[in-house]
Amino acid sequence: SYELTQPPSVSVSPGQTASITCSGDKLGDKFASWYQQKPGQSPVLVIYQDTKRPSGIPERFSGSNSGNTATLTISGTQAMDEADYYCQAWDSTNVVFGGGTKLTVL
Amino acid sequence: EVQLVESGGGLVQPGGSLRLSCAASGFTFSRYWMHWVRQAPGKGLVWVSRINSDGSSTSYADSVKGRFTISRDNAKNTLYLQMNSLRAEDTALYYCARRSTLHPSAVDYWGQGTLVTVSS
Repeated sequence: SYELTQPPSVSVSPGQTASITCSGDKLGDKFASWYQQKPGQSPVLVIYQDTKRPSGIPERFSGSNSGNTATLTISGTQAMDEADYYCQAWDSTNVVFGGGTKLTVL
Repeated sequence: EVQLVESGGGLVQPGGSLRLSCAASGFTFSRYWMHWVRQAPGKGLVWVSRINSDGSSTSYADSVKGRFTISRDNAKNTLYLQMNSLRAEDTALYYCARRSTLHPSAVDYWGQGTLVTVSS
């Protein structure tokens, strides 16, 4: 079955740029989405179709997807961005989530 | 306002059954594919199942195939997940979620989840 691999944790200083990767076989041939989940809350879509932001998501969130890796980039990271982040893609008829990355803003 | 409200969770013994419901409002439910996604305590998101808009097509994660059945009643704006032969590893918060209007590959609305605990 298809797998998406994320680093368990990423740390960043406030104001710096955080990058979270998601790896999967030929992931660049699929569409990647990213979700933010804060403790005790339901996930929120932050990036869809590799690079697009839903309404209400700050411009500091951006995405890319090429080859075997999709990347979520948060520029000028703020304390409020501390959360778990999950990538997601479709494999044939099934949905796949990455294992999640805990972003810590130090 | 789009709302998804799950119910039906609870404590069940291994081997038992449970039916989850997800009441949808604020959008035309019959036009949307829907998903169930679960999250074990302290763990990540795991996709469980999806159903197309008229209920004619479904798919399942390998871990639940043959034990879980997704269905919907478009007249009642409700999504279901029938869970049979439950195992301890099925313990999780179960979310229903809507396929995104922005792009079909994404999910744009999630419920608050209903907790299923499988234990003797």
